[in-house]
Amino acid sequence: GESVGLHLPTLSVQEGDNSIINCAYSNSASDYFIWYKQESGKGPQFIIDIRSNMDKRQGQRVTVLLNKTVKHLSLQIAATQPGDSAVYFCAENMYGQNFVFGPGTRLSVLP
Amino acid sequence: DAGVIQSPRHEVTEMGQEVTLRCKPISGHNSLFWYRQTMMRGLELLIYFNNNVPIDDSGMPEDRFSAKMPNASFSTLKIQPSEPRDSAVYFCASSLGGASGEFFGPGTRLTVL
Repeated sequence: GESVGLHLPTLSVQEGDNSIINCAYSNSASDYFIWYKQESGKGPQFIIDIRSNMDKRQGQRVTVLLNKTVKHLSLQIAATQPGDSAVYFCAENMYGQNFVFGPGTRLSVLP
Repeated sequence: DAGVIQSPRHEVTEMGQEVTLRCKPISGHNSLFWYRQTMMRGLELLIYFNNNVPIDDSGMPEDRFSAKMPNASFSTLKIQPSEPRDSAVYFCASSLGGASGEFFGPGTRLTVL
């Protein structure tokens, strides 16, 4: 069997607190980014996206920040709830090619 | 819309058997993607199609893997012969193409004994 697996970074936050999940992307030419949420036993689900001509975009309880200078993307979740517990992936896209996914971060919400 | 539909949801087979995974993309989407997810390697893109034409199959691990998209509403991923190391969750996703978000199906959990 598998004895070594991907070591997913884990973020543990208290229910009600804000969460910040970070992602370093690889290609400075990437011009479109998406955050996905994957709950146990399900496929990744689109949360929010941002294009490279923006540095911030807000959704419902979520905000994505893009820093192109250091190739960094973050996802902020306000008032984290138990239902936010999942693995979060960032994905980058260049010129309409296929998306490249990061390794993911596991968010654990503590009661 | 029912979203991306995959079948079967679970498949258990023996080494050496042929496995066929099926996907129905969201109607109107013209790009389709097959991914594999494992604990070892995370989420890997295997192949993607634009307008039913394979664009990039560099992620297909071996010749044992093949994918087809005979029409805009159906795609298959076939593994022949299957091996235990093929055990994974296989996701199909579709999108409107270009730089638009991908919508994932529920996945097929494949176990090869």
